[in-house]
Amino acid sequence: GDSVTQMEGPVTLSEEAFLTINCTYTATGYPSLFWYVQYPGEGLQLLLKATKADDKGSNKGFEATYRKETTSFHLEKGSVQVSDSAVYFCALLKTQGGSEKLVFGKGTKLTVNP
Amino acid sequence: KAGVTQTPRYLIKTRGQQVTLSCSPISGHRSVSWYQQTPGQGLQFLFEYFSETQRNKGNFPGRFSGRQFSNSRSEMNVSTLELGDSALYLCASSLAGQGRYEQYFGPGTRLTVT
Repeated sequence: GDSVTQMEGPVTLSEEAFLTINCTYTATGYPSLFWYVQYPGEGLQLLLKATKADDKGSNKGFEATYRKETTSFHLEKGSVQVSDSAVYFCALLKTQGGSEKLVFGKGTKLTVNP
Repeated sequence: KAGVTQTPRYLIKTRGQQVTLSCSPISGHRSVSWYQQTPGQGLQFLFEYFSETQRNKGNFPGRFSGRQFSNSRSEMNVSTLELGDSALYLCASSLAGQGRYEQYFGPGTRLTVT
């Protein structure tokens, strides 16, 4: 079945460091891909998305490129801030018979120290 | 435009009781999905409703049920609560259609079963 695999956390970085969180997926067809972020005590916020191969999603300095050949959607940011500390989820949108559901990775907890 | 709202935000119940959670989607969104988030299992899909019809259901026992009203608001019900039902229950709404549209999440309802 469809699945998403994220790099194991937690990840701890210093402010202004470069961030990469790896995400690979297994799916039939070419699903839309997403990164969501969850701050403590809150729901999920959509960070960025890509709907087809070679699309690059970007938002708030974060970027991810939909790579069909490697079935990957790695999240990157050039310079992280303390306020980026959160849990990040990679997800694919599975469609089946008109229905849609998100399939999530396990999440990666990021802590950024000043 | 107002976001997805969920009520109540926090709930404490006793084993054997039942509970109803409510979700109001973003205006114009006709698809509502529910997810359960636990530390052990991560984010798991419960069900999706579109135009008052359940289009898909995840691998949960029949104690978990839901419905959607004509104004797209949705409720989920859990009967005969078990300790393992303690979780954050997240509702998401979407325009829905061919896997092109992102899902927007509410803040969640934190259910604690004692």
